Amino acid sequence: NAGVTQTPKFRVLKTGQSMTLLCAQDMNHEYMYWYRQDPGMGLRLIHYSVGEGTTAKGEVPDGYNVSRLKKQNFLLGLESAAPSQTSVYFCASSYAPFGDTEAFFGQGTRLTVV
Amino acid sequence: AQSVTQLDSQVPVFEEAPVELRCNYSSSVSVYLFWYVQYPNQGLQLLLKYLSGSTLVKGINGFEAEFNKSQTSFHLRKPSVHISDTAEYFCAVSDRGNTPLVFGKGTRLSVIA
Repeated sequence: NAGVTQTPKFRVLKTGQSMTLLCAQDMNHEYMYWYRQDPGMGLRLIHYSVGEGTTAKGEVPDGYNVSRLKKQNFLLGLESAAPSQTSVYFCASSYAPFGDTEAFFGQGTRLTVV
Repeated sequence: AQSVTQLDSQVPVFEEAPVELRCNYSSSVSVYLFWYVQYPNQGLQLLLKYLSGSTLVKGINGFEAEFNKSQTSFHLRKPSVHISDTAEYFCAVSDRGNTPLVFGKGTRLSVIA
C-alpha cells in the first residue's frame, strides 16, 4: 500500500537548472497539493489541484509550475532553480476538499540549489 | 485569509510529564482544525481533527485537543509523554473545507529521559 510517493528523495541543483518533482498517489484522491517546508516557516502551499487537468496557485507559487495530466500524478516543475528554492518539498493528497478528510503526505524531497 | 500561530517554537519536557502545545488561529465564522505530527525525516501524519460537534477531540497516541471558539484556540495536550513523542507538531486550519490547509510554523517537542 504505497499511499503518496515522491521522487526523487534528494537532489542537488545548480542555479539556473531545471527539474521536475513527481508525486504519485494510489488512493484515487481528487485533491493534490505541493507544499514547501523551511526552518521556522512551517509548511507553505505552492500549488494545488482539485482534479485531473486542474491546477491553482497557493501561497508561494512564484518560480514553480505544476501539471495534473493524470489523476494519480501531480508534477512540480522548477524552470530556473534559485538558491531561495532550497527546501524540503512535500506532496499531499486527499479524497475530499481542503480538510474535510485527512490529507496524506509523502516522505518529502530535499532539494538543495547551489 | 486564515493564519495560524503556534506560540512555542520549542518545548522541552521530561518523560512522563504532561505537555500542552498551543495553537491560535485567526477568527472566522467556522473552521476545521487539525494537528499533524512529523517524526524526523518523515512526512506528516494526522494526529487529530476537529470538524464539528464535541469540542474535545481525541487522537492517536494518547493526544487530545480542545476547540475553544471564543479564544480561537486549539491546544494539543497529552497527560504523560514518552520519548517516542519527540517530533515536530503542526497545527493547521481550513475555512470549513473552502480553502486549502494553512499550517502554523510548528512546535518542536523534545522529550527528555
